[in-house]
Amino acid sequence: AQSVSQHNHHVILSEAASLELGCNYSYGGTVNLFWYVQYPGQHLQLLLKYFSGDPLVKGIKGFEAEFIKSKFSFNLRKPSVQWSDTAEYFCAVKTGTASKLTFGTGTRLQVTL
Amino acid sequence: NAGVTQTPKFRVLKTGQSMTLLCAQDMNHEYMYWYRQDPGMGLRLIHYSVGEGTTAKGEVPDGYNVSRLKKQNFLLGLESAAPSQTSVYFCASTTRTSYTGELFFGEGSRLTVL
Repeated sequence: AQSVSQHNHHVILSEAASLELGCNYSYGGTVNLFWYVQYPGQHLQLLLKYFSGDPLVKGIKGFEAEFIKSKFSFNLRKPSVQWSDTAEYFCAVKTGTASKLTFGTGTRLQVTL
Repeated sequence: NAGVTQTPKFRVLKTGQSMTLLCAQDMNHEYMYWYRQDPGMGLRLIHYSVGEGTTAKGEVPDGYNVSRLKKQNFLLGLESAAPSQTSVYFCASTTRTSYTGELFFGEGSRLTVL
């Protein structure tokens, strides 16, 4: 079965610091990859997605992610975080039929002023 | 455009009680899903449906039943609630023709089983 690993469970950064959250997946075939964000008390929202083409994907709010096939990775980056980026971030991979997504365990990002 | 709506938003149950969570989407999506979210475990798929009248098991289906009698609604039932079912439940949907498979989520339903 496919799996998604997020190695950073809780990250604390100061405002303006750079961010990189790791995501590795186990599926060896063609993949569709996603990063979702969940702000406190809210539902999951799509941050960005990769399904083909340029492995560097740009999303909303200045986030980007790079798909590295050889490393089975899809790490999320942001050059300069803001306090409003405090949230939980989930990496996910589309698996099998019916567009089912397998999620990682999530990374809680806390940005301090 | 409401998107994906879940009811109720909060519920407290006693062990052994039953309840149903309702998910409604107004985007004419064929595929619908129920996930549960637990601390440190991310989101896990409970059941899903690829169309009206069809359902299938996900990763953690035990203790839950679902029904999809209408295309826009996907119900999640707990026949005999257990404390292990204390969780936040998210419904999601997407269209069958979506190339990227992006899911659209509801706001969640927080269930506590005492």
